[in-house]
Amino acid sequence: GEDVEQSLFLSVREGDSSVINCTYTDSSSTYLYWYKQEPGAGLQLLTYIFSNMDMKQDQRLTVLLNKKDKHLSLRIADTQTGDSAIYFCAESYSSASKIIFGSGTRLSIRP
Amino acid sequence: DVKVTQSSRYLVKRTGEKVFLECVQDMDHENMFWYRQDPGLGLRLIYFSYDVKMKEKGDIPEGYSVSREKKERFSLILESASTNQTSMYLCASSLIRQGIDGELFFGEGSRLTVL
Repeated sequence: GEDVEQSLFLSVREGDSSVINCTYTDSSSTYLYWYKQEPGAGLQLLTYIFSNMDMKQDQRLTVLLNKKDKHLSLRIADTQTGDSAIYFCAESYSSASKIIFGSGTRLSIRP
Repeated sequence: DVKVTQSSRYLVKRTGEKVFLECVQDMDHENMFWYRQDPGLGLRLIYFSYDVKMKEKGDIPEGYSVSREKKERFSLILESASTNQTSMYLCASSLIRQGIDGELFFGEGSRLTVL
């Protein structure tokens, strides 16, 4: 069945890199996404990667996709207090025409 | 910018009451969705709609219904609220169908408490 798994919490020191991991079960995924939810707000698309790519970089964000292991990661370089949020991994595939979300990882930043 | 507006940020209702959650988007998007968000469970799809007067069940439709009389408005209805429907409800819209590079635009959420 369809499933996307993430750890629930991550704590990093300000200025360090954060790495948020995600595993998914459906190998027919076409797109994989990272959404960010700040306190009291809805979700916003942070970045996405097409399933035939291995890596995508966008400023401080690096997305790595390992299709063999069905593993997706989001690396945030030089983590700042404004990065505190819940990060959701999600996958979509045209056969099902819907997006499946993980449980979300709450990232907290310590000084 | 796309704006998805949910009419109520916080609601408190009693068991058995009928509850309406309203969602309006201003970008002429075809597709609209209702999710509920619970700690540790992520987002679960309740219902979605690809067109006016059209609806499809998501993963957890039981206890809910929806209405889409106008393109910009998608309503979630709890016919008889129960305590296990206490949750954060998120509305979203997208220009094209999910699964085909369809970015979802979310509202800020409606936190419903059922006593």
